[in-house]
Amino acid sequence: DIQMTQSPSSLSASVGDRVTITCQASQDISNYLNWYQQKPGKPPNLVISDASNLETGVPSRFSGSGSGTDFTFTISSLQPEDIATYYCQQYADLRPITFGQGTRLELK
Amino acid sequence: VQLQESGPGLVKPSETLSLTCAVSGGSIRSDSYYWTWIRQPAGKGLEWIGRVYASGSTSHNPSLKSRVTISIDTSKTHFSLNLTSVTAADTAVYYCARDFLGKFDSWGQGALVTVSS
Repeated sequence: DIQMTQSPSSLSASVGDRVTITCQASQDISNYLNWYQQKPGKPPNLVISDASNLETGVPSRFSGSGSGTDFTFTISSLQPEDIATYYCQQYADLRPITFGQGTRLELK
Repeated sequence: VQLQESGPGLVKPSETLSLTCAVSGGSIRSDSYYWTWIRQPAGKGLEWIGRVYASGSTSHNPSLKSRVTISIDTSKTHFSLNLTSVTAADTAVYYCARDFLGKFDSWGQGALVTVSS
């Protein structure tokens, strides 16, 4: 299995802060990497696909970058509605598809 | 497209967990998508269970060994999950989702399944 390691596991930030989450794959996954936002009691929502493609309707303050084994997810100016848990997910190896352990983002 | 999980919320240990995902607003027969099950234990991360194609071909997470069966009924626009020999470790919210080129772009709201006697 390809292991996905996110850091940090939790993060406290203020409104307007720049927030960065990293995801490291245990082997090269090219750009086969997606990011999801999950709010409590809700299913995850796809935010970034293929490492850097912003999904339709997602605010431009969200961005993603990276390829190979190292990836970054950034919120350029944190808003209160961005408080959630974020997951990375690889699909370079489909058996199985794997997720990072999640990064819980809280307001300071 | 909308997805909606349904099934028993309580399953006894050693029995079989069975869930159905109803798909509406889009064709389950489309050859562009896989139809997927993902679960999430309370307070924990996401685990991919497996997926099914419109043709009926499937793949599943090897960690679940041979306990998983995923099937599709294109005439009734739903797909299903059976997980046998459940234990407390299988207690989770179970999501169905649409898989487009490895991206889960539509999700059901989730169904909580508790394994307990």
